[in-house]
Amino acid sequence: DVKVTQSSRYLVKRTGEKVFLECVQDMDHENMFWYRQDPGLGLRLIYFSYDVKMKEKGDIPEGYSVSREKKERFSLILESASTNQTSMYLCASILTSGYNEQFFGPGTRLTVL
Amino acid sequence: GQQVMQIPQYQHVQEGEDFTTYCNSSTTLSNIQWYKQRPGGHPVFLIQLVKSGEVKKQKRLTFQFGEAKKNSSLHITATQTTDVGTYFCAGPGAGAGSYQLTFGKGTKLSVIP
Repeated sequence: DVKVTQSSRYLVKRTGEKVFLECVQDMDHENMFWYRQDPGLGLRLIYFSYDVKMKEKGDIPEGYSVSREKKERFSLILESASTNQTSMYLCASILTSGYNEQFFGPGTRLTVL
Repeated sequence: GQQVMQIPQYQHVQEGEDFTTYCNSSTTLSNIQWYKQRPGGHPVFLIQLVKSGEVKKQKRLTFQFGEAKKNSSLHITATQTTDVGTYFCAGPGAGAGSYQLTFGKGTKLSVIP
């Protein structure tokens, strides 16, 4: 079974803090994604990566950066957290054969005070 | 950019009633995927449709892809409390080979026992 894990289920940070969200997948997937999910807005793509050290902006990259130093790990970084970044963050990776379905991690609910 | 619209946003049904959610794209899609997210959970892949007019069934769930490949629907027959959750459709992103998905905002299904 594909497993996508995220470092924390719940996280509380203060405004201005630097925040790291970690995602690890164990199936050698090349493509990985970070989304945020807010009520009424669905899933919005922040960044994605199609290979080690490669990254592309998604629909809402402002205020975020990412890092992919190893194939299995994709990190989302909030350089200076703000209250409007309070959200559920979901990581996903994709099997690039067959259905190209995305496998999601359990999510990190981040609260910025 | 590509938009994927999904209606209704919410649906409350009595257990045993049928349920349908509709997905419309602003552009022709090469394929469409459907995901289910249980309360407190993460999105889980249900199915992918590829062919024009395609109909696929999974037990009480029927998925259709429109002839023009711009719309899709998910129909659940005789809903059960286990069907509760949010159903998302998703189409491929604009970037060729990127494996991005553009998600609809989802339909949240409540089933009243």
